[in-house]
Amino acid sequence: DIQMTQSPSSLSASVGDRVTITCRSSQSITTFLNWYQHKPGKAPNLLIYAASNLQSGVPSRFGGSGSGTDFTLTISSLQPEDFATYYCQQSYTTPYTFGQGTKLEIK
Amino acid sequence: QVQLQESGPRLVKPSETLSLTCTVSGDSINDYYWSWIRQPAGKGLEWIGRIYTSGNTNYNPSLKSRVTISVDTSKNQFSLKLNSVTAADTAVYYCARLARNDWHFDYWGQGTLVTVSS
Repeated sequence: DIQMTQSPSSLSASVGDRVTITCRSSQSITTFLNWYQHKPGKAPNLLIYAASNLQSGVPSRFGGSGSGTDFTLTISSLQPEDFATYYCQQSYTTPYTFGQGTKLEIK
Repeated sequence: QVQLQESGPRLVKPSETLSLTCTVSGDSINDYYWSWIRQPAGKGLEWIGRIYTSGNTNYNPSLKSRVTISVDTSKNQFSLKLNSVTAADTAVYYCARLARNDWHFDYWGQGTLVTVSS
């Protein structure tokens, strides 16, 4: 299985901050990397697919980059509704695997 | 707007079979892959498996011996069966659609908590 490692595991930030979350895969997954936002009691919400493509309806303050084994999710200016847990997921091959999550908390 | 809704028993006894159904509305189930994903309390997301509307399946090797995913295109539904459950199978179970390109999960159900307990 391809292992996905996110860092940091948790992050405290303030409204208006720029935040970066990284995701590393145990082997090359080209650009088959997706990012999801997950709030308690809700379904995960797709933010970014294929490493850098913004899902329709997702605010432009979210951005993704990377290829191969190293990827980043950037939130350019944190809004109150962005405090949640973020997961990366590889769709290069089955079994699909997720990172362990990054919990973004209010400072 | 595509919507997915999980249904099934919320409490399952150890050694029995967990059964869930996902009903898809707002679009045809045909010509897509559909998946089950779970999240134990306090842990991350685990992909269980996927099914194409032809019936072709792929399962996570960690669960393959206990999992069956099936599809009923006439009802716009797909289902999960997980047998010989233990407390470790207690989790929120999600159904989701795989997009045709790049295999990302573009639509998800709200999730249902299934507890394994006697």
